[in-house]
Amino acid sequence: GQNIDQPTEMTATEGAIVQINCTYQTSGFNGLFWYQQHAGEAPTFLSYNVLDGLEEKGRFSSFLSRSKGYSYLLLKELQMKDSASYLCAVWSSNYQLIWGAGTKLIIKP
Amino acid sequence: SQTIHQWPATLVQPVGSPLSLECTVEGTSNPNLYWYRQAAGRGLQLLFYSVGIGQISSEVPQNLSASRPQDRQFILSSKKLLLSDSGFYLCAWSSQGFDTDTQYFGPGTRLTVL
Repeated sequence: GQNIDQPTEMTATEGAIVQINCTYQTSGFNGLFWYQQHAGEAPTFLSYNVLDGLEEKGRFSSFLSRSKGYSYLLLKELQMKDSASYLCAVWSSNYQLIWGAGTKLIIKP
Repeated sequence: SQTIHQWPATLVQPVGSPLSLECTVEGTSNPNLYWYRQAAGRGLQLLFYSVGIGQISSEVPQNLSASRPQDRQFILSSKKLLLSDSGFYLCAWSSQGFDTDTQYFGPGTRLTVL
């Protein structure tokens, strides 16, 4: 079967750094997305990785290792507004987007 | 720029009643369109997707149906709602012709079936 695993919940401190991991097992791979979803709102696009390595966008970075079926989202200089769920999604071989259940990130002052 | 609208924002319906949720996209032509459902604390479940007018693919057999009467309009319907239909319904679009292109979501409709 196709599966994406993410931690259910993480807690971090304002101003710190947090890494949210995502491991996937899919029939083929055509790219990996990270989305941010605030409570009660729709997901918003953060990043897309299709090649191995690190993609940096301001305070957010996303890393991919296709051989390990692994990605992480790195958030630096955490702000209270970063409290949200972070969703990992993978395009499988038949161009079906497989979604993880999301990681709820709680930021404490 | 592209925008995606959904309505209503919230809906409370009795079991057995019909449903119609509407989604429209502006600022793009011939988009791929998607309907998702998200149960509380769960991931996104793809319900339907469409690559063109009148072309609907169903991912999950259930009492829901979808239609695409116009290029940028996508409708989710049910003749008789079940309690299990409660959830957060999200419409999304992506560019046509790019299979792995980013999906962008509308604001969502929160449906409660009582």
